[in-house]
Amino acid sequence: GAGVSQSPRYKVAKRGQDVALRCDPISGHVSLFWYQQALGQGPEFLTYFQNEAQLDKSGLPSDRFFAERPEGSVSTLKIQRTQQEDSAVYLCASSLGLSANQPQHFGDGTRLSIL
Amino acid sequence: DAKTTQPPSMDCAEGRAANLPCNHSTISGNEYVYWYRQIHSQGPQYIIHGLKNNETNEMASLIITEDRKSSTLILPHATLRDTAVYYCIVRVADDYKLSFGAGTTVTVRA
Repeated sequence: GAGVSQSPRYKVAKRGQDVALRCDPISGHVSLFWYQQALGQGPEFLTYFQNEAQLDKSGLPSDRFFAERPEGSVSTLKIQRTQQEDSAVYLCASSLGLSANQPQHFGDGTRLSIL
Repeated sequence: DAKTTQPPSMDCAEGRAANLPCNHSTISGNEYVYWYRQIHSQGPQYIIHGLKNNETNEMASLIITEDRKSSTLILPHATLRDTAVYYCIVRVADDYKLSFGAGTTVTVRA
């Protein structure tokens, strides 16, 4: 497929467990973004990569959240010692570049539920 | 940052044109107007964007007023599958963070 792919689509974890969420961006897209969407709310920015460089992590809610994109394509968002407030949909988006004239394209997200 | 104002909800008749308004009275000259929609259990889907001129693609048309203080997204022939939350976003030229507001919940009825 040509779109942004995220896996798993659903993840259930117990409080305290670590989780890893994967994002495959559109081929050739150098910019990659992670957003968090709480129930009934719009997506909120978490972090941004340009190729393999994480240039902005200002939206990460705590140091339990960690993201990487080691080869400039696939990205992983990791949450350590999960807590109930981490329950949300985690969305990945990619774009050709940073220009305001280049849209971000989103995947369908991973719905994370912390028990 | 420029902010947007959208009606919280709208009903549209299947087969008719759906006109979705958005106010962005504080928009700056280099800021784009973007529209996304989010169908239940899916990620936001890019629809269209524009700066000054009206734009049209296979999904929709975007009409921006001459003073750029408001815009209208037009779905020419609404179908039941167009039921979604529609977000109007003003994208600051040097900021890549998309700020989603509450959007408009559009329900297309048969």
